[in-house]
Amino acid sequence: DIQMTQSPSTLSASVGDRVTITCRASQSISSWLAWYQQKPGKAPKLLIYKASSLDSGVPSRFSGGGSGTEFTLTISSLQPDDFATYYCQQYDSYPYTFGQGTKLEI
Amino acid sequence: QVQLQESGPGLVKPSETLSLTCTVSGDSITGYYWSWIRQPPGKGLEWIGYIYYTGSTNYNPSLKSRVTISLDTSKNQFSLKLSSVTAADTAIYYCARNLYYESWFDPWGQGTLVTVSS
Repeated sequence: DIQMTQSPSTLSASVGDRVTITCRASQSISSWLAWYQQKPGKAPKLLIYKASSLDSGVPSRFSGGGSGTEFTLTISSLQPDDFATYYCQQYDSYPYTFGQGTKLEI
Repeated sequence: QVQLQESGPGLVKPSETLSLTCTVSGDSITGYYWSWIRQPPGKGLEWIGYIYYTGSTNYNPSLKSRVTISLDTSKNQFSLKLSSVTAADTAIYYCARNLYYESWFDPWGQGTLVTVSS
């Protein structure tokens, strides 16, 4: 299985901050990576697919980058609605695997 | 737009079989891949497996011996059965769509909590 490791596990930030979350794969996954946002009691919501493609309706302050084994999710200016847990997911090969999550807190 | 809704018992006894159904509305089940994912309370996400509209399946090896995913195209539904459950199978179970053979999950159902307890 491909192991996905996110850092940090918890990130404290303030409204207006620029933040970056990193996701590392245990082997190359090309650009086959997605990012999700999950709020308490809700299902994950797709933000980004193919490492850097923004899903429809997702604010442009979100951006994704990277390829191979190292990927980033950047929020350019944090808004109150962005405080949530973020997960990366590889879909290069089965079984699909997720990172352990990064909790973004105030 | 397509919407998914999980349904099934919220409590299952140890050693019994967990059974859930996902009902798809707003689009046909035909042409896509349909997955089950679970999340133990307060923990991360684990992909369980998928079924293609043709009926072909692919399961996570960690659960393969206990999992069966099936579909009913006439009802636009697909289902999950997980046998011989233990407390470790307590989780929120989500259904989700994959557009392609290897792709992201979107959209997701709201999830349903299944507790394994006697």
